[in-house]
Amino acid sequence: KQEVTQIPAALSVPEGENLVLNCSFTDSAIYNLQWFRQDPGKGLTSLLLIQSSQREQTSGRLNASLDKSSGRSTLYIAASQPGDSATYLCALSYNQAGTALIFGKGTTLSVSS
Amino acid sequence: DTEVTQTPKHLVMGMTNKKSLKCEQHMGHRAMYWYKQKAKKPPELMFVYSYEKLSINESVPSRFSPECPNSSLLNLHLHALQPEDSALYLCASSQTGLGYTFGSGTRLTVV
Repeated sequence: KQEVTQIPAALSVPEGENLVLNCSFTDSAIYNLQWFRQDPGKGLTSLLLIQSSQREQTSGRLNASLDKSSGRSTLYIAASQPGDSATYLCALSYNQAGTALIFGKGTTLSVSS
Repeated sequence: DTEVTQTPKHLVMGMTNKKSLKCEQHMGHRAMYWYKQKAKKPPELMFVYSYEKLSINESVPSRFSPECPNSSLLNLHLHALQPEDSALYLCASSQTGLGYTFGSGTRLTVV
């Protein structure tokens, strides 16, 4: 059974710091890996999608990498801002559309000004 | 249109009520999902519709009844819920190679 682990569970940093969120998984036969952001009581916002044939994706201050062989993905946030405060979820899919996402428990980030 | 729209945003219902949650997407995605999320937990899968047919039911109690009237719409009918069913209900859609898109959710409170 696939297990997805996110470390750390919570993180507090001052504004301006660069930071790394980690996601590890036990079964490397994944189809996609997707990072989401969730604000309290809100839905999930997709940040980055990495397909199994890709190694990384970038969007603005965000960069996500994927190493299937080691079962790891990292989300790098550059020059953090208070508006980045949220819970970040890593999720895996194993097949094409129509299969469930498997979520980690998330990393709750707090960026202070 | 790159959104999944859920209505209502908030719902309070009694244990004897019947209500429905609605979800709509116009991205042409052929898979649609219902997830349930409790506070400080990741979303948990409830149902999957693929090409308008129910393909996965994660042993959800029968007081939750999904319906997919067409490729753009997904409903979740609620009846005789319990207070422990209070949660954020999320709808999502997906298409091969494009990842998953989630709606903003319905905050359900059962009193």
